[in-house]
Amino acid sequence: QSALTQPASVSGSPGQSIAISCTGTSNDIGGYDYVSWHQQHPGKAPKLLISRVSNRPSGVSDRFSGSKSGNTASLTITGLQAEDEADYYCNSFTSSHNVVFGGGTRLTVL
Amino acid sequence: EVYLAESGGRQVQPGGSLRLSCAASGFTFSNYWIHWVRQPPGKGLEWISRVTTEGRGTDYAASVRGRFTMSRDNTKNFAYLQMYALRPDDTAVYYCARSLTSGSGDFDYWGQGTLVTVSS
Repeated sequence: QSALTQPASVSGSPGQSIAISCTGTSNDIGGYDYVSWHQQHPGKAPKLLISRVSNRPSGVSDRFSGSKSGNTASLTITGLQAEDEADYYCNSFTSSHNVVFGGGTRLTVL
Repeated sequence: EVYLAESGGRQVQPGGSLRLSCAASGFTFSNYWIHWVRQPPGKGLEWISRVTTEGRGTDYAASVRGRFTMSRDNTKNFAYLQMYALRPDDTAVYYCARSLTSGSGDFDYWGQGTLVTVSS
């Protein structure tokens, strides 16, 4: 199972909005509504931001939102803040009954 | 409060074996699938295994299938990862995590990780 494809890096200024894409195939993202997004700060364990494509767990800011179209999922962050600077990972359930992660995207807040 | 804590990571020689443990507390352990996810130094996350609620079903990533075995003990609230034939590219921080939705990747709680270094 190949890793999902994410851009290596994105950047934005405080207050702006950015989107991170995550591209897979019909065997993962395109075939199931089980896409999740996690945020990871350096030296810390990942934190769940989005589950099942667009669901935000309790306590996660509504500045984070998720969507999916075909084989591509997206994470959008609005009103960028300095503390959003982190690595972001998508993952998806697969037809092999496994989970596959994207390679990760480093977000820089300028 | 939900708590997951890994232990057992250390340096081991190539070809060696190691067992990692994941201690859980603060929730009904037997109601959740548990997963292991690893992260090589400076690299991204890789899902490697999961076990069903009762421990009867396991799945593995191709990179570890046949070398790693995952299990759980619901009487002790522990999950385990037995690793054999370790290779240098198994060097990583190993996290255990629980998923909100059975076998999917919505890991709402993670441990702090334990470092496994495979080197002579």
